[in-house]
Amino acid sequence: QQPVQSPQAVILREGEDAVINCSSSKALYSVHWYRQKHGEAPVFLMILLKGGEQKGHEKISASFNEKKQQSSLYLTASQLSYSGTYFCGTANNTDKLIFGTGTRLQVFP
Amino acid sequence: NAGVTQTPKFQVLKTGQSMTLQCAQDMNHNSMYWYRQDPGMGLRLIYYSASEGTTDKGEVPNGYNVSRLNKREFSLRLESAAPSQTSVYFCASSVGTGELFFGEGSRLTVL
Repeated sequence: QQPVQSPQAVILREGEDAVINCSSSKALYSVHWYRQKHGEAPVFLMILLKGGEQKGHEKISASFNEKKQQSSLYLTASQLSYSGTYFCGTANNTDKLIFGTGTRLQVFP
Repeated sequence: NAGVTQTPKFQVLKTGQSMTLQCAQDMNHNSMYWYRQDPGMGLRLIYYSASEGTTDKGEVPNGYNVSRLNKREFSLRLESAAPSQTSVYFCASSVGTGELFFGEGSRLTVL
């Protein structure tokens, strides 16, 4: 079952902050975050593992609430290069990564 | 560094024709994936392979078959293409539950 992402779309001015949420109905082992630019393949941003281990990318951070089966991606002081569609991917212990439907982020000058 | 290579990049088929999408990775990854991406639907998992010789169904496996003949290659076959299979197909690979590395995608149109 696909994880649910919210919001579906976000419009920002440069320098503003945004939060993208991802929730699952199943117990999670890991949560991945990817960004995809139009016409390109998704690019890895971050992975969060059960037990609190976290890896980061650039100036973007994320949290993982295992009990609530939720993750949030925090983008602070947004830049034009942050524009794109953000996907969370969730996995239980079988390694299969299932992606959410995405959040489209647009950053304007 | 090639990473994940998909062929072909573009393909147009007629309904009922068959074809195979090829994927190869040179990173010695054990896990490989096939996803399809449609507007508004995100990336949906078609098939997954945890290691050479093993495959597992994903969210949308109907109408597809896969082969993991060796550690490097994971192919996706459409036996009888349908217009509903018009999509962008991405192959990816990873080490276990780690970062996924994606190919550039294959754009398939079924008329």
